[in-house]
Amino acid sequence: QKEVEQDPGPLSVPEGAIVSLNCTYSNSAFQYFMWYRQYSRKGPELLMYTYSSGNKEDGRFTAQVDKSSKYISLFIRDSQPSDSATYLCAMGGFMDTGRRALTFGSGTRLQVQP
Amino acid sequence: DTAVSQTPKYLVTQMGNDKSIKCEQNLGHDTMYWYKQDSKKFLKIMFSYNNKELIINETVPNRFSPKSPDKAHLNLHINSLELGDSAVYFCASSQGTDTQYFGPGTRLTVL
Repeated sequence: QKEVEQDPGPLSVPEGAIVSLNCTYSNSAFQYFMWYRQYSRKGPELLMYTYSSGNKEDGRFTAQVDKSSKYISLFIRDSQPSDSATYLCAMGGFMDTGRRALTFGSGTRLQVQP
Repeated sequence: DTAVSQTPKYLVTQMGNDKSIKCEQNLGHDTMYWYKQDSKKFLKIMFSYNNKELIINETVPNRFSPKSPDKAHLNLHINSLELGDSAVYFCASSQGTDTQYFGPGTRLTVL
């Protein structure tokens, strides 16, 4: 079982729709959670970063973390064609072996149709 | 100003060759990383350096050798390239274990 599971999609929605992207994880040592957006042939760029359970909002984006269920979500309101990209969840923390780099999900490809 | 830069952007080479990819960050971060992203977009950590010291070395063939001449640079040298090495290689940097900032990637094609 992978430490982080993410549906690869593609997920196709009409412009203006609310998008829900999700990841589940198995390692309860993860302490911080991120969402990255990656456009085709570009590097990942950070969208959202949170430490705690609950919701964090930034413009049209809301990140939700439920540590008890080991489940994180990214919601995109009023989706735009420019949101079409691959969205990667990532998580990290201080593990038994010491500091570690982030563990990424495999990414969900989102297509917003005009 | 580019925060994390990589050269070259594209690299096409024959099997068996040796090649290097360079990475530089101007963010003043103390930690740098190399990731490999395969055709299915899965990002996998290869190495991590903190203040020029290797702190993460995942299960990577020893044909891959990172080198950090200073905190702002982390290079990746690959010997005896194989077809399976074809991928996009991303450099990233962070301050400690904080947010990682990624470079634009180097697309390596081994023929």
